[in-house]
Amino acid sequence: GAGVSQSPSNKVTEKGKDVELRCDPISGHTALYWYRQSLGQGLEFLIYFQGNSAPDKSGLPSDRFSAERTGGSVSTLTIQRTQQEDSAVYLCASSLGAVSFGYTFGSGTRLTVV
Amino acid sequence: QKEVEQNSGPLSVPEGAIASLNCTYSDRGSQSFFWYRQYSGKSPELIMFIYSNGDKEDGRFTAQLNKASQYVSLLIRDSQPSDSATYLCAVKRRGNTPLVFGKGTRLSVIA
Repeated sequence: GAGVSQSPSNKVTEKGKDVELRCDPISGHTALYWYRQSLGQGLEFLIYFQGNSAPDKSGLPSDRFSAERTGGSVSTLTIQRTQQEDSAVYLCASSLGAVSFGYTFGSGTRLTVV
Repeated sequence: QKEVEQNSGPLSVPEGAIASLNCTYSDRGSQSFFWYRQYSGKSPELIMFIYSNGDKEDGRFTAQLNKASQYVSLLIRDSQPSDSATYLCAVKRRGNTPLVFGKGTRLSVIA
C-alpha cells in the first residue's frame, strides 16, 4: 500500500479483555516496528521484526503483550487481560531495511481501557 | 541518564525567527540521527536524518551533528505558525537496533 495502515483507529475495551491491533506495512518494507505513546510521553519501543529473523521483543512491558508478523507483511499486536495502564496510542512503523533511513509511521490505534 | 534527552519546552519563537531545537544522546557509538515532527493528535513524520558530523540542509531545515559532544540539533529558519508541533529526536544505536526516541520539544511559533 501507499502508506502504513493501522486498524482499528480507536478501540475502547473493558479491563481484563483481550485486544488485537493490526498493522499493514508499506509494500516491500522488510522491517516493522511497534511503539506506544502515552499522553505527554515519548515513543516507547515495544517490538521489532526484520525479515525472517527472530523478532526483538526487548521492549514488551509484560508477558501480556505479544506480536506476530505473518508472511513478512501484516503484523498483529495482542494485549491480553488489558489493564488501565495499557491505555495509549499504539503506533506501527515500517522501513526498507534494518539500516533504516527513518521509519514511516501509521496513523496509530488509540486504545482506551475502561 | 536517559538515552535521548530533549528539553520539553514549550519553545516559543516569533514568526520569521530561527527556532533551535536540541538533543543529546548517551550512546557514543550511535550511528544515525533523525528528526520527526508530530502535530497534535497525529503520528510522527520524518523531517531529516543525518549520519556525519557537520550540517545538513534541506529547505528551511538544518540538522547539525557533533558526535564528540553527543549533540544533535535542528534549526528551522523563517519559522511559520504551521511549524508549531512537537519535534522528536531519534537515535539509532550500534547494531541491529530500533530507533530510540526522546520525549520531544514542543515548538510554538507566534504570528
